[in-house]
Amino acid sequence: QKEVEQNSGPLSVPEGAIASLNCTYSDRGSQSFFWYRQYSGKSPELIMFIYSNGDKEDGRFTAQLNKASQYVSLLIRDSQPSDSATYLCAVKGGGADGLTFGKGTHLIIQP
Amino acid sequence: DAGVIQSPRHEVTEMGQEVTLRCKPISGHNSLFWYRQTMMRGLELLIYFNNNVPIDDSGMPEDRFSAKMPNASFSTLKIQPSEPRDSAVYFCASSPYVGPGTEAFFGQGTRLTVV
Repeated sequence: QKEVEQNSGPLSVPEGAIASLNCTYSDRGSQSFFWYRQYSGKSPELIMFIYSNGDKEDGRFTAQLNKASQYVSLLIRDSQPSDSATYLCAVKGGGADGLTFGKGTHLIIQP
Repeated sequence: DAGVIQSPRHEVTEMGQEVTLRCKPISGHNSLFWYRQTMMRGLELLIYFNNNVPIDDSGMPEDRFSAKMPNASFSTLKIQPSEPRDSAVYFCASSPYVGPGTEAFFGQGTRLTVV
């Protein structure tokens, strides 16, 4: 059974600092990795995905993937209060698989 | 595009009643997913369809749950009979194609309360 593990937090980071979110997964056959953001009472929305080892940058966000260690991370630079949310890590196998989600990390950006 | 549309947004029902949740995926998307979210268990994949065909329903908790997708623009998730432990937010999501990096676009969810 696929498992995705995240620290539930809360993770508290000062405004302007770098927030680092981590995720591990159990299924070595996983091929794609996603970070979703979910505000309280809202639906998850995609921030970015990655499927090759290494780093992928998009604006203030950087996703990092290490398949050998089965580890995915998300860095948020210049953190803003509007980044305060729950961040969900998700993994996907090949083909028509659905996404398997972790329980999420609650991030608080302190003004 | 209006995005994934779910109805109702909120549902309160009594234990033992039948509940039907509805979903309209984004036009042109050929994969549809039903998820359930609770504080304890997080987001759980219940079932997904590809081209209207159920592919994997191993996440459906028990026989009280059933899902259908009669056409490309409509799906239902039915709970009969409902129980208090079914209380959760149910999300429907759709994807445009199959392959690496395929993201799921989520509807706004249905908050179900069974009393």
